Amino acid sequence: DGGITQSPKYLFRKEGQNVTLSCEQNLNHDAMYWYRQDPGQGLRLIYYSQIVNDFQKGDIAEGYSVSREKKESFPLTVTSAQKNPTAFYLCASSVADGGYGYTFGSGTRLTVV
Amino acid sequence: QQPVQSPQAVILREGEDAVINCSSSKALYSVHWYRQKHGEAPVFLMILLKGGEQKGHEKISASFNEKKQQSSLYLTASQLSYSGTYFCGTDPPPNAGGTSYGKLTFGQGTILTVHP
Repeated sequence: DGGITQSPKYLFRKEGQNVTLSCEQNLNHDAMYWYRQDPGQGLRLIYYSQIVNDFQKGDIAEGYSVSREKKESFPLTVTSAQKNPTAFYLCASSVADGGYGYTFGSGTRLTVV
Repeated sequence: QQPVQSPQAVILREGEDAVINCSSSKALYSVHWYRQKHGEAPVFLMILLKGGEQKGHEKISASFNEKKQQSSLYLTASQLSYSGTYFCGTDPPPNAGGTSYGKLTFGQGTILTVHP
């Protein structure tokens, strides 16, 4: 079955360390997205990519970086520059214009200790 | 800018109806609705495109008034399985080339709790 896989499910990081969250899809979707979810704030867009080797900043890109070297993969790196990284991170994918809705991964819960 | 959802929370008994509203300060091309169970990924419910059409999904339907920049989600004869947080996601009009970016801005969510 096609889907979108995020790993790991839980991640603990020490302050000052970079960490990379994995996101892989086998839906043949062109577009991929990273959202951050904090209690009571809904989902906020970090980065998105509509095509391989191209990506755009979302509303809260500071302290994050991404790459899109393959259509199936869109990893997110949370850098030490991100001041408040503890959150639930969701990856999603869609057809190019989002016209059939997003498919979300099951998320990664990142905790900075 | 984030669309505003109302109410923030609603509590129902099984069989009761509810309406969740989503309002934007910007022109809209489409509105998506998602439901998220606690600790899980959001699940796509439906998309409404510019044109005021109403769509349905089991006993859940929605409308989109592009002039008012609003959408409403209607839950009829609620079931326990309807409990969760509902999000609307809004998509701005396509660019000059006619291509929508599909880049959604989500509301803050409405927590729906259905009791037996």
